[in-house]
Amino acid sequence: ILNVEQSPQSLHVQEGDSTNFTCSFPSSNFYALHWYRWETAKSPEALFVMTLNGDEKKKGRISATLNTKEGYSYLYIKGSQPEDSATYLCASDSNYQLIWGAGTKLIIKP
Amino acid sequence: DGGITQSPKYLFRKEGQNVTLSCEQNLNHDAMYWYRQDPGQGLRLIYYSQIVNDFQKGDIAEGYSVSREKKESFPLTVTSAQKNPTAFYLCASSMRRAYGYTFGSGTRLTVV
Repeated sequence: ILNVEQSPQSLHVQEGDSTNFTCSFPSSNFYALHWYRWETAKSPEALFVMTLNGDEKKKGRISATLNTKEGYSYLYIKGSQPEDSATYLCASDSNYQLIWGAGTKLIIKP
Repeated sequence: DGGITQSPKYLFRKEGQNVTLSCEQNLNHDAMYWYRQDPGQGLRLIYYSQIVNDFQKGDIAEGYSVSREKKESFPLTVTSAQKNPTAFYLCASSMRRAYGYTFGSGTRLTVV
């Protein structure tokens, strides 16, 4: 079984500050890297699906980068807002299955 | 609006009973998935189906069964053979590989 690691496990950030966290994944048989946001009492919501080494994607104040050779992806949030509080999940697609990390829980302090 | 509906939201089961969790989608997605979440762990794949009348075991299929008789529906049965069924169960669907997944809101199953 391949392991996907996310760090940190949880993060407290002051409102207005920027932050980032990491997803590490095995680089062999890589096909795609997914990022999701999961707010309490809601369904996980797809943020990005990335496939190309060096790719960078952006959605509003959230962006992500991908390094498939070394097996990591960063998620950045610029100017954190209370509505950004959620658990952020990443998943690596290899061999037609998603392997999920345990998530980074982000708490924005007003 | 298109989406995935899971029911019920909460389910209590007595030991030794089978119970079925419902998952319905109206997104016209071919692939559907069942995941289990336990505290502090990533989502773990129970079963998945790429097409009607076909499904494959995931990493933790023992004690579970599924069917895919219609494109829209992918029910999961938790059987009495599942030794530790208390968990949060998520259903998802996707159009094809490298597309994002759409998730249901989950079912929390508790064995009493």
